[in-house]
Amino acid sequence: DAGVIQSPRHEVTEMGQEVTLRCKPISGHDYLFWYRQTMMRGLELLIYFNNNVPIDDSGMPEDRFSAKMPNASFSTLKIQPSEPRDSAVYFCASSRQGGQYFGAGTRLSVL
Amino acid sequence: AQTVTQSQPEMSVQEAETVTLSCTYDTSESDYYLFWYKQPPSRQMILVIRQEAYKQQNATENRFSVNFQKAAKSFSLKISDSQLGDAAMYFCAYRSRHGGGADGLTFGKGTHLIIQP
Repeated sequence: DAGVIQSPRHEVTEMGQEVTLRCKPISGHDYLFWYRQTMMRGLELLIYFNNNVPIDDSGMPEDRFSAKMPNASFSTLKIQPSEPRDSAVYFCASSRQGGQYFGAGTRLSVL
Repeated sequence: AQTVTQSQPEMSVQEAETVTLSCTYDTSESDYYLFWYKQPPSRQMILVIRQEAYKQQNATENRFSVNFQKAAKSFSLKISDSQLGDAAMYFCAYRSRHGGGADGLTFGKGTHLIIQP
């Protein structure tokens, strides 16, 4: 299996622009998670889905962030409009029960 | 809410030696998972080892083993015969088994492991 695939690996954008991060989970996994990693706050859960349904989005910072999972093999995390404080590494992970398997992450820089 | 604490921001060990990384956690649940993840400079998060709370036997994966003390809420990682490739950030993480919106991982702040050649 190719593992969890995230794109792009790096994203540089200007403040106010829309950013879309993409994730393809491992086939057969019914959970999908989005995390954010910063030096100040460490690794934080943003939102997760079970069977394509959002279960907990309490970690989403504000209304500028949205996530979708239209089918079992694809999810997006969108930031609109982006701000410099959104600069971070964003990880997608998938699992059944138990351990979660992470993608390589997207490093987002908002200038 | 659960919390995970890693009290060692940085550890250093000589190559081929053994090192133990500490982790404590706080929860009111009785059934859960615990994990250790490794994050090398490539930033990839790699699952190293997992432990289910209902299992008394400590998990082992090759040179990696854990010391799980449920009553003390302690979950340490032992790396034997340390290798240069073990150098990384190590994160301890907790996951509930009860679902109901609690499936996300709660991470500690991490321990930076340095391997001295």
